[in-house]
Amino acid sequence: QKEVEQNSGPLSVPEGAIASLNCTYSDRGSQSFFWYRQYSGKSPELIMFIYSNGDKEDGRFTAQLNKASQYVSLLIRDSQPSDSATYLCAVKIFSGGYNKLIFGAGTRLAVHP
Amino acid sequence: EAGVAQSPRYKIIEKRQSVAFWCNPISGHATLYWYQQILGQGPKLLIQFQNNGVVDDSQLPKDRFSAERLKGVDSTLKIQPAKLEDSAVYLCASSSRDSRYYEQYFGPGTRLTVT
Repeated sequence: QKEVEQNSGPLSVPEGAIASLNCTYSDRGSQSFFWYRQYSGKSPELIMFIYSNGDKEDGRFTAQLNKASQYVSLLIRDSQPSDSATYLCAVKIFSGGYNKLIFGAGTRLAVHP
Repeated sequence: EAGVAQSPRYKIIEKRQSVAFWCNPISGHATLYWYQQILGQGPKLLIQFQNNGVVDDSQLPKDRFSAERLKGVDSTLKIQPAKLEDSAVYLCASSSRDSRYYEQYFGPGTRLTVT
């Protein structure tokens, strides 16, 4: 059973701080890793993906990948109340001849003024 | 570019009734996915289509759920008969075969309540 684990939270951070969201996965063959943001009552929105070890930056967001430790994280700098949402980690695996995404349960982030 | 379209947005039915959901993927996206998301959980893949063929339906409860994607474009997911535990958001997503990383884009979802 391929698994993706996330701390359910809530992770509470003050406005302007760095929010750090973490995710571990069980399949060592995983190639690509995705972060989705999901506001309450809305559908998941893709915000970043990463496939190489190291950091990938996009605006206030930085994704970090460590394949040896099977660990991926998302850093949100200068957190804003509008960042308050559930962040879903997804891992692409190759199974049965096709690619599929396995999602974690998500971490709820609350940014307070 | 238009996103993934889904309808209806909300549906309330009684147990043992049937319901159908519709999805139209992003234009040109060959791969279409149906997910079930129960409150507090991540999306769970129900079925994946490549063009109009099923490539993965291992987690689809086939005694009550069915899906089709005629002509390789839009798709319908049906539940018959519905159970209380089917209450969830049903998400449709699509991805392009031309994308190296197969990132998926989601529609707005259909919130189903079974009473």
